[in-house]
Amino acid sequence: KNQVEQSPQSLIILEGKNCTLQCNYTVSPFSNLRWYKQDTGRGPVSLTIMTFSENTKSNGRYTATLDADTKQSSLHITASQLSDSASYICVVSPGGYNKLIFGAGTRLAVHP
Amino acid sequence: GAGVSQSPSNKVTEKGKDVELRCDPISGHTALYWYRQRLGQGLEFLIYFQGNSAPDKSGLPSDRFSAERTGESVSTLTIQRTQQEDSAVYLCASSPPGGLGNEQFFGPGTRLTVL
Repeated sequence: KNQVEQSPQSLIILEGKNCTLQCNYTVSPFSNLRWYKQDTGRGPVSLTIMTFSENTKSNGRYTATLDADTKQSSLHITASQLSDSASYICVVSPGGYNKLIFGAGTRLAVHP
Repeated sequence: GAGVSQSPSNKVTEKGKDVELRCDPISGHTALYWYRQRLGQGLEFLIYFQGNSAPDKSGLPSDRFSAERTGESVSTLTIQRTQQEDSAVYLCASSPPGGLGNEQFFGPGTRLTVL
């Protein structure tokens, strides 16, 4: 069964600190993996996308890594800001036209 | 340069009533998706429209759920005889033709509460 598991379920960090969110998937075949940020009451917004041949992709203070062999990805947030407080969702595409598999997300709270 | 819009933003209804949710995709986007997001859970795929092709309805949870789309414009998701388990945020997304990896642009969602 195609699944995407994220950990931790929730996380609290202090402003300025770094953190790493994890994503494990069992989706096959594999086309690409995205990380989305979802602010409370808003729709998800794409942060990064990686295909199986890419190991790392950065977007400002966000850096995503992908190990297609172990089927693991991580999202590292550097020098966190209060505005980083949101849910971070790992999404895997098995290819084809578009039926994405969504993780349940990690809820991050950045405190001053 | 408007994004995906959805209406209403919030809907409270009584069990057994019908509701209709609306999605306006980004102009020029040929693909449109509906998802359901229950509290604390991941997005569940409901239905997919692509141009004039027959929609993929494989994610609809029951025959109480239906969706329509006129051409490549507005879509409505209808839930008949609502039940408390239907309470969730309903998200709509659209995608442009071609492009990399099926990038989907999401609307803000409609929060449905069934009392």
